[in-house]
This record gives sequence, C-alpha cells and structure tokens, in this order.
Amino acid sequence: GIQVEQSPPDLILQEGANSTLRCNFSDSVNNLQWFHQNPWGQLINLFYIPSGTKQNGRLSATTVATERYSLLYISSSQTTDSGVYFCAVGETSGSRLTFGEGTQLTVNP
Amino acid sequence: GAVVSQHPSRVICKSGTSVKIECRSLDFQATTMFWYRQFPKQSLMLMATSNEGSKATYEQGVEKDKFLINHASLTLSTLTVTSAHPEDSSFYICSARETGGPLHFGNGTRLTVT
Repeated sequence: GIQVEQSPPDLILQEGANSTLRCNFSDSVNNLQWFHQNPWGQLINLFYIPSGTKQNGRLSATTVATERYSLLYISSSQTTDSGVYFCAVGETSGSRLTFGEGTQLTVNP
Repeated sequence: GAVVSQHPSRVICKSGTSVKIECRSLDFQATTMFWYRQFPKQSLMLMATSNEGSKATYEQGVEKDKFLINHASLTLSTLTVTSAHPEDSSFYICSARETGGPLHFGNGTRLTVT
C-alpha cells in the first residue's frame, strides 16, 4: 500500500514563529487532506488539497502531486495551534485515507 | 458543511461485555464509511470499510467476528466490539465522505475496558 511520511515528528515553537510541515507519499494520489487533532482527539479538517495551493487565514498548504509531497505552512503560530498535525492520502477520490505518523507541534507562550 | 456524528464519545465497560458505537452522517448520504482506531501517541489505522447494504471489508489483522460492522442505511454505520478485553481499549473514529469531497470524521469514541 501507499506509504506516507511526515516530518518533522516533533516541533517546538515560540508563539509568533512560522513553521513548515512536510508530507511525502510513495505513489500517485487523488486525495490528500491535512488535519489537526486537538487534545480531545477531534480531527479538524484543515485542507482538502490533492493538488495546488490553498490558504485559510494563517494556514496555507501546497501539494505538488507530480513530486509526491505536500507542505503545510503555519504563520504567526499561537498556543492554540498546538496538537498533532496529520497528513492523509487516498489513491482514488473515493477511497479510504492512509495517515502519516503525524507532527506533534507545541507552541510555547 | 458536512457533519459526521459519533456516539458515545466515551464508554467504560467490563471485560467480556459488548459495546456498540454509532456513526451518522447528518446532512449527506454515505454509501461508504470508514472505521479507524488510534492507540495513544500513534497514528490512525484503518480497521474496516463499511458498505451500505453489503458486508464490510476488513483490513489485515482485524478480526471481523470481534469488530462487527453494520451499515444498514445511507446515514448510519455501527461498530460493535464484542467480548471486549482490556487490549481493545482505544480511540475509535468513524468517517464518511460526501460524493467528490473530503473525508469527514466523527469526534471519536474513547473505549476503556476494565
């Protein structure tokens, strides 16, 4: 099956800093999503981005499908951004998602 | 936007009992739903794909007789953990997709088997 690698596994930032999270995948995908899992376990949809670039406030994401990677940018980080960020991919638009191992982000005040 | 409702959010049960978890798509129909499991400090692992009106497809290593899945309507899938044991304690999350759109997840069920 498809392999998903996320980096870095852990990231500690001071409030206000910017960061880039990376997701590499081993095969062609037609579905890629970024999630933020909060301390209560809720998975928050951040982006549905099988290709191209999207922005939502302080967050933006870019997927270069031909090179099999996606990047999540967090600007002016806040303590509420802390949590685990998951990248998940699907080989077809209707298929299940395979998750990476996540990036544990801690933003300190 | 699309909402997936999962119930209960938390359950504690005794070893040997069965627990049913419900997953509903509230404002869209879902012919396919997915059940994931997440152990502490780990990623989400797919357990099974639930298909409306037909048998579920289980991932390798997941016991179909232990994790019973029923997808009786286009808006409801249930996962029953039968004869639960402490090693089944985990966070179970369901998901469903609007046609052509992203996968949406429920808020999860934290199962503790004592």
